[in-house]
Formats: sequence, structure tokens, C-alpha cells
Amino acid sequence: EVQLVESGGGLVKPGGSLRLSCEASDFTFSDYSMNWVRQAPGKGLEWVSSISSGSSYIYYADSMKGRFTISRDNAKHSLYLQMNSLRAEDTAVYYCVRDSLSEQGPDFWGQGTLVTVSS
Amino acid sequence: QAGLTQPPSVSKGLRQTATLTCTGNSNNVGKQGAAWLQQHQGHPPKLLSYRNNNRPSGISERFSTSRSGNTASLTITGVQPEDEADYYCSAWDSSLRARVFGGGTKLTVL
Repeated sequence: EVQLVESGGGLVKPGGSLRLSCEASDFTFSDYSMNWVRQAPGKGLEWVSSISSGSSYIYYADSMKGRFTISRDNAKHSLYLQMNSLRAEDTAVYYCVRDSLSEQGPDFWGQGTLVTVSS
Repeated sequence: QAGLTQPPSVSKGLRQTATLTCTGNSNNVGKQGAAWLQQHQGHPPKLLSYRNNNRPSGISERFSTSRSGNTASLTITGVQPEDEADYYCSAWDSSLRARVFGGGTKLTVL
């Protein structure tokens, strides 16, 4: 069964940094594009960033450009999100999400990791 | 980045048919269709339908999707209590080079 397990969330002060990780299992990780999607408490889904299977194509939401960096290590079946200059509005559950082959939709979601930015 | 437009809430009686809409533009829904997701309170979202309107394995036939122009629709036939959830549409915007989500529709089963 496909599994995506996020880690690295926690409490951080405004202006601080955090690195999220997502460990994938039970599928050929290197074949799939991956994403980070976040959800602020009581709010809807917000796309953060996407990375293609071989890391050739990387995209960010405007509000994350220059602050967040997505990366992956196919040998370790892992996806990462380095988050710098964190703001209170970055407080959210961050989900690791797999895109289906042929990119027909986000077909598997991790359980999420909570990031809280507060002084 | 502009998102997709969904009605905030829809209420339906048990066993009625609910139709949820998702409106975008020619760069996203109109060009590539939309995927649909269901999220129950306290759980991560689950994919209900691919952009091509096919259902992933294990998704009930009561959930069907379609698209007309820049608007995608999710139809839930014979609404059940367990269908009470938030529903999101998602599409890739080729102009923005970004994934966009709708704001979500909360389905209440009366």
C-alpha cells in the first residue's frame, strides 16, 4: 500500500526555518511528480510547490517563492521542503502529495505534519 | 494566484442527488479538466476523480464528474450520511504554471 509519511513539523518563531521530510514507500518513487500542499487551521487547501520525477521541473506558489525550496532524493525515496523566513501565515498542516502517472490528479496524500509559526 | 470558484456550501437530503460545481478559466479547467477530492474532518484529502473523469480504484460509482467549458462538476447520486465532507477541485494552470484549488464546498446531508 502506498505510504507517504511526513516529518519535521513543529513550533518555530517568525523568521525561523524548518525542513520538512516525506518518506515514500510501496511505489516506484522516481517515476512520480510530487507536491507539497498545505492547509491552515479551518481553511481550504493551498498548493505550495511541485517537483517533477527527475527534479527537472520545479514550481512554487507566488507567496513561497524565494523562501521555500523543494527537493527530492530518489535514492532515499524522500521529498523535502526547506522553509525559511517563516511567517505566522505559514502556520498550517503540510501534506506530501503524489501526482498520478500522466499527472491526472493528486492521488495519494500523507497524513500531514503541523507547522506552527508563533513567538 | 487566483483559485477555482466553488460554492461554500451545499445541503441535500438523504438519497437525493447533489451537484457541486468548480469554475475556472481556459488556462486551467477549460484546458485540462479538474480533479476532485473529498476531505472528512480531521483526515487528509482523498482523490475521488481524475482530471479525465475516471475514478480511482475503490471509489463508489455514486460519484461522477463531468466538464463543460470552464466549469467542472461533481455529481453525488443517492447522498449518504458518510458523504458529509468538504469537496475540493484541483487543476493545473498552464499560464500561472501553478496548481490551483477551489475554496472547497461543504456538503451537509440533511
